Amino acid sequence: GAGVSQSPRYKVAKRGQDVALRCDPISGHVSLFWYQQALGQGPEFLTYFQNEAQLDKSGLPSDRFFAERPEGSVSTLKIQRTQQEDSAVYLCASSLIRDSEAFFGQGTRLTVV
Amino acid sequence: AQSVTQLDSQVPVFEEAPVELRCNYSSSVSVYLFWYVQYPNQGLQLLLKYLSGSTLVKGINGFEAEFNKSQTSFHLRKPSVHISDTAGYFCAVSVTGNQFYFGTGTSLTVIP
Repeated sequence: GAGVSQSPRYKVAKRGQDVALRCDPISGHVSLFWYQQALGQGPEFLTYFQNEAQLDKSGLPSDRFFAERPEGSVSTLKIQRTQQEDSAVYLCASSLIRDSEAFFGQGTRLTVV
Repeated sequence: AQSVTQLDSQVPVFEEAPVELRCNYSSSVSVYLFWYVQYPNQGLQLLLKYLSGSTLVKGINGFEAEFNKSQTSFHLRKPSVHISDTAGYFCAVSVTGNQFYFGTGTSLTVIP
């Protein structure tokens, strides 16, 4: 596709359930970012990949959050034992190189009940 | 550390009127500056960016922004808004390009 694709668009999880969110970046884009956007807030940085290397994971809120990009393309954000405070929109973005424009996906809206 | 402040959480404006959305940032080093627009249930779309050079930056949809280093500001302006400009607007800064720091956003509502 032409843009960043995220799936699923919507996810409802019971508290304690594990979830996996997928991001397909634009083909050839080296950099990949994950952000968390709570209702009425701006996006908060979670983690950054350059190809398959996770160079910055300082924004991951707890050890329940894990991200990977094993082949330097598709990325998965996994949240274990989901809690209500994890409810948010999770945005993925990719860019061709560092410092270039980041293109965002439509996000995955996670609701933990 | 870097931070972004968008003081106006909601801005109502009549159609065809001008608008300014304010953004101030805090950083001890040089930064790159961005404005993104977010339509309902959509991701973020880049409006414009300042990396270096001219401090007046023109973007898509008739928006422009001016980088003011002394005031650490990057306000977004449009001389005449349309109904279709109703959306959320986010200012962001980046030092390395590895991490973007976003403001809390301004919800622009254009009134017919």
